[in-house]
Amino acid sequence: AQKVTQAQTEISVVEKEDVTLDCVYETRDTTYYLFWYKQPPSGELVFLIRRNSFDEQNEISGRYSWNFQKSTSSFNFTITASQVVDSAVYFCALSESSGYSTLTFGKGTMLLVSP
Amino acid sequence: NAGVTQTPKFQVLKTGQSMTLQCAQDMNHEYMSWYRQDPGMGLRLIHYSVGAGITDQGEVPNGYNVSRSTTEDFPLRLLSAAPSQTSVYFCASTPGFYSNQPQHFGDGTRLSIL
Repeated sequence: AQKVTQAQTEISVVEKEDVTLDCVYETRDTTYYLFWYKQPPSGELVFLIRRNSFDEQNEISGRYSWNFQKSTSSFNFTITASQVVDSAVYFCALSESSGYSTLTFGKGTMLLVSP
Repeated sequence: NAGVTQTPKFQVLKTGQSMTLQCAQDMNHEYMSWYRQDPGMGLRLIHYSVGAGITDQGEVPNGYNVSRSTTEDFPLRLLSAAPSQTSVYFCASTPGFYSNQPQHFGDGTRLSIL
């Protein structure tokens, strides 16, 4: 069965610091998809990125970057020069090709960015 | 574009009461699902549907019932509310029932069972 582990329950940083959120996954499928979602204090879930298991290229989007490593089953998320608006709960999620579109979520990491 | 609409946004029930949480999407998405979010637990799948007339159980289905009579609507029914069902409920949809598309989430329903 699939599993997603986000070992960091809460991270506190000061604005402008870089921060990395860890995500480790388990799956038996060779084809799968990984996602990151952001949940700001207002409560909605915001999609950030999708990565499929065949694409190990790192991705950068502004201050956000993602590092996908199949060898360690990790899909880590880095925020460069963090800002107060980055304060949120971040979820990593996994979807297997054999399991329709069902998502297995990690328990989330709460990021607190202070001024 | 409305996207995924959940109603109500907040609800308080007494133990034993029944209730239906509504979810509607206007994107003609085949796949819809319900998750519950509890502190420290992430989101867990309750039920999902791959199209009208087809539903299946997720990780935590007990105490909940679903049906899918139209592509647009996917209501979640609490048969006899229990305090353990106090949670935030999210409905989601995605274009196809294969796993490569990001899901669109509603804004959630915060439910308290007294």
